[in-house]
Amino acid sequence: DADVTQTPRNRITKTGKRIMLECSQTKGHDRMYWYRQDPGLGLRLIYYSFDVKDINKGEISDGYSVSRQAQAKFSLSLESAIPNQTALYFCATSVSPSGGPRSGELFFGEGSRLTVL
Amino acid sequence: GNSVTQMEGPVTLSEEAFLTINCTYTATGYPSLFWYVQYPGEGLQLLLKATKADDKGSNKGFEATYRKETTSFHLEKGSVQVSDSAVYFCALSDPGNTDKLIFGTGTRLQVFP
Repeated sequence: DADVTQTPRNRITKTGKRIMLECSQTKGHDRMYWYRQDPGLGLRLIYYSFDVKDINKGEISDGYSVSRQAQAKFSLSLESAIPNQTALYFCATSVSPSGGPRSGELFFGEGSRLTVL
Repeated sequence: GNSVTQMEGPVTLSEEAFLTINCTYTATGYPSLFWYVQYPGEGLQLLLKATKADDKGSNKGFEATYRKETTSFHLEKGSVQVSDSAVYFCALSDPGNTDKLIFGTGTRLQVFP
């Protein structure tokens, strides 16, 4: 089984619908992230969380919200999906504390492909 | 602000050819630099890293040297294989928060037999 599991792997929805992407991890890491990948744009950070009580906006948080339900679970919601949110979404984790020898090493899930019609 | 610029792809090579994928960066402070690889249908995984100037990261035959004077971190491999076909991302860590990574746009490598 994968250490970082994303569900669903693929989803097609319509404009205005609410969508939740879920991420769970068995690595025991405190830090979790949501990125989106678009062709020609690379990966851009949406939200990140350094522990259950710590949620931070990334560079493109507008239109998204997150919930850190437990150390192992971090979900991303689109309250009212729009077509330009069509993308491949990745959850990732990292070990803390920052600055140690493993610093910067993110562990990614396999991605959730979202299509908004 | 901090940013990473990669050469556009796709890079198309024959098996056993020499590979270079260029990466340059702009950053305040002293970031760490990374190469991540994404194989088809998979998430990204760390390929190699370098944490300070003149460090060389290496893994699976790939190498990259942190060049502060040219703000570069070019990825090289002496002899590519078909199995190296993937998308390669250069990234840097935010010096103020080393677990926040800033990624380049990615370079697709296609290796043919």
